[in-house]
Amino acid sequence: NAGVTQTPKFQVLKTGQSMTLQCAQDMNHNSMYWYRQDPGMGLRLIYYSASEGTTDKGEVPNGYNVSRLNKREFSLRLESAAPSQTSVYFCASSEILGDIPYGYTFGSGTRLTVV
Amino acid sequence: QKEVEQNSGPLSVPEGAIASLNCTYSDRGSQSFFWYRQYSGKSPELIMSIYSNGDKEDGRFTAQLNKASQYVSLLIRDSQPSDSATYLCAGPHPNSGYSTLTFGKGTMLLVSP
Repeated sequence: NAGVTQTPKFQVLKTGQSMTLQCAQDMNHNSMYWYRQDPGMGLRLIYYSASEGTTDKGEVPNGYNVSRLNKREFSLRLESAAPSQTSVYFCASSEILGDIPYGYTFGSGTRLTVV
Repeated sequence: QKEVEQNSGPLSVPEGAIASLNCTYSDRGSQSFFWYRQYSGKSPELIMSIYSNGDKEDGRFTAQLNKASQYVSLLIRDSQPSDSATYLCAGPHPNSGYSTLTFGKGTMLLVSP
């Protein structure tokens, strides 16, 4: 099925551990995004990639790094996990219509707990 | 001030009623808006987009945009218990040159049988 695939779906890390969240889309979209969702805070943009080869910081980039490996794949890395990074992480992709991102398609999310 | 603001709710309506969800935005340069539905424990799903002033209808859903008042709304007619979810309003974020979306915190809708 076409869409955005995220792995893993669940993860528990100890403080200081590192991990990479994987995201792949098969809709030939140029733009990809990483958001985190926390209770009472809504969805907040971590990093985005407007096109293959480019990445930019979003609203809450501290503690994260990203790699746009190719047009399909966009990974998010936590180098040294902290309890404040406990959250649900969503990857999304979209096409751009008239300079506006249209119709984000979201992955199913990764529930990360840092203890 | 967050770019997109929503009342967190919950908004409770009986089955068959009209549910009205509202959203305000702060950046006058934003030209298009989106409504997403998110069921508990699931990812957001796009249900409506609107690019111009006025109304846009799709089945039981109507999106309304008033650029002068910087106001976006979503009407759900003949509400069903399956409509119970959190509804997220989103618009282009000026800080990214409008190339990303900023989301409101969402309004929870509860439709009782």
